[in-house]
Amino acid sequence: SQQGEEDPQALSIQEGENATMNCSYKTSINNLQWYRQNSGRGLVHLILIRSNEREKHSGRLRVTLDTSKKSSSLLITASRAADTASYFCATPGYGGSQGNLIFGKGTKLSVKP
Amino acid sequence: NAGVTQTPKFRVLKTGQSMTLLCAQDMNHEYMYWYRQDPGMGLRLIHYSVGEGTTAKGEVPDGYNVSRLKKQNFLLGLESAAPSQTSVYFCASRRGTEGYTFGSGTRLTVV
Repeated sequence: SQQGEEDPQALSIQEGENATMNCSYKTSINNLQWYRQNSGRGLVHLILIRSNEREKHSGRLRVTLDTSKKSSSLLITASRAADTASYFCATPGYGGSQGNLIFGKGTKLSVKP
Repeated sequence: NAGVTQTPKFRVLKTGQSMTLLCAQDMNHEYMYWYRQDPGMGLRLIHYSVGEGTTAKGEVPDGYNVSRLKKQNFLLGLESAAPSQTSVYFCASRRGTEGYTFGSGTRLTVV
C-alpha cells in the first residue's frame, strides 16, 4: 500500500552543498508532507504542501510539488552536518484510509564536515 | 508541553509474553496512531484512532490490539509476542490537517 517513494535511497554530500531529494506517488493527493528522522529518534514534521501550491519555503528548506507528474522534491540549501538524517515524504492514504499518512522508505542523507 | 510520550523506551520480551506500550499526548489531539518501523520497510501503520473510544485497523494489525479509553492515551498491546514483532514502535498524534507529532519510539526485541 506504499504511496510515496523517495529517491535516492542514500545521498552523501559535503557541508555547504545543497541536497535534493525526490518523492513520487501514485494517486491524487490533497497534500504532501516531509519529515526528518535523526538516528534513533522519532520523526519530526518539516513542511506540508497542499495540492494547490507549487512551492513552499521554510528556512533552508524548499519543497516543490508537481501534481501533473505526481512528484515532489525537498531541497536543503547550504547543508550542515546537523542535517544528517533520514528524510521521508508522506501522503494521505486512499479509499477508507484517507485520514492516515503513508510514508515512503526514506532518503538517508549524510552531510560530511 | 511534553508533546507525545512513549513508555517504555526499550523492552526485551520472550516469545509468548504479553506487554502494553503506552502513548500519552498533552496537545488535545483527536487523532492518534501506532506505527512500526523496520529496516528497509519504512513506517507501517498498525492501528489508529480518530477520537476517544474509537479504534481502527491499519496496514499491519495482526497480533496487536489497541484501546483509547481517554483522549490523551493510546495503548498498544501485544497478546503473545513473536520474533516477527521485533521492531521500533512509534506513536503519533495530530489535530485536523496538521502534521503529525511523533514520540521518540519504543525499541522492542522479542527473543
